[in-house]
Amino acid sequence: QKEVEQNSGPLSVPEGAIASLNCTYSDRGSQSFFWYRQYSGKSPELIMSIYSNGDKEDGRFTAQLNKASQYVSLLIRDSQPSDSATYLCAVNPGSNYQLIWGAGTKLIIKP
Amino acid sequence: DGGITQSPKYLFRKEGQNVTLSCEQNLNHDAMYWYRQDPGQGLRLIYYSQIVNDFQKGDIAEGYSVSREKKESFPLTVTSAQKNPTAFYLCATGHLTAEAFFGQGTRLTVV
Repeated sequence: QKEVEQNSGPLSVPEGAIASLNCTYSDRGSQSFFWYRQYSGKSPELIMSIYSNGDKEDGRFTAQLNKASQYVSLLIRDSQPSDSATYLCAVNPGSNYQLIWGAGTKLIIKP
Repeated sequence: DGGITQSPKYLFRKEGQNVTLSCEQNLNHDAMYWYRQDPGQGLRLIYYSQIVNDFQKGDIAEGYSVSREKKESFPLTVTSAQKNPTAFYLCATGHLTAEAFFGQGTRLTVV
């Protein structure tokens, strides 16, 4: 069974520091990887997508993909209280339309 | 205005009653999905559809039904057979191997 694993947290990070969120996946043939942010009571919103090994940067966010080790991570630089949310990792194994979801990591940025 | 519209935002169901949640999109996406999210939990796939007049069961389809008569619409019916329907229901759309985009969600409560 295809799985995506995340540490449920909560992960507490001081304001201004780097928050590091990790995700591992079981299907070695997976092709597409996504990070979503979900505020309490709201729907998930896409913040990063990554398709090839290495780093992808967008503003304060960096996604890192290592297919050999089957993990994908999200770094948030200069963390702000508004970054406090649950971060969901999603992986597309490439065989059909389904995304495989992790359970999410709750991030708390302390002022 | 492009996007995914879910209605209603809040819905109350009496015991033994069927209710239908609406999901409409104008993004011209092929795939549509229904997810259920319980408090503090991740997303669980109920049903998904890749093309009109075709849909597949997800991990927790029992007690739910769907239809896909138009590309733009994918309504979900929560039947009386679903014994614990109180949850946050999320509709999403997307393309093959690509990311999913979410509506604002419907919060269903049994009264």
